[in-house]
Amino acid sequence: GEDVEQSLFLSVREGDSSVINCTYTDSSSTYLYWYKQEPGAGLQLLTYIFSNMDMKQDQRLTVLLNKKDKHLSLRIADTQTGDSAIYFCAETPDDKIIFGKGTRLHILP
Amino acid sequence: DVKVTQSSRYLVKRTGEKVFLECVQDMDHENMFWYRQDPGLGLRLIYFSYDVKMKEKGDIPEGYSVSREKKERFSLILESASTNQTSMYLCASSFSEGQSLLLPYEQYFGPGTRLTVT
Repeated sequence: GEDVEQSLFLSVREGDSSVINCTYTDSSSTYLYWYKQEPGAGLQLLTYIFSNMDMKQDQRLTVLLNKKDKHLSLRIADTQTGDSAIYFCAETPDDKIIFGKGTRLHILP
Repeated sequence: DVKVTQSSRYLVKRTGEKVFLECVQDMDHENMFWYRQDPGLGLRLIYFSYDVKMKEKGDIPEGYSVSREKKERFSLILESASTNQTSMYLCASSFSEGQSLLLPYEQYFGPGTRLTVT
């Protein structure tokens, strides 16, 4: 089946790093995405990585890609209360996009 | 900026009613999508459309239909609402491959409609 797997919850203390993990299924995915959904809103593209890269850094965000294990991770440095949201990873096999179930990031004071 | 709007943020309907959810995008996107989002189940694709008057079933089309008479508007119809259709409904749109040099398959989402069927 086509299931993108993520853990459902993650709790992190403010100021620590958050690492959200994802396992995807299709090695033909050209792009892999991370979307963010803030409370009461739709999803918004946060960052992406092209499949021929193994790392991408964008300010506090670092995306790591392990193609051999089909593993994608999103690291958020210095986690802030505004990072509290649901994070979805997504793969793009065969001209479509498939989302994981989302990881709810909870920030502890 | 791309804007995807949905006609209502909150909606309460009775069992058996016909329900229309409207979505409009202003970026001339060819592709439009309807998802429902439920806790622990993530996003599930109901229907999508890649052109005017074209529609394709997603993973859970049962109990739903769609209409796309104009490029910018994609409607989701619940012919006879049931309590198990209580959910958050998200509309999204995207360029088709070749329509844009921008990131392919990137979807732009509306704010969602929380539908409660009683």
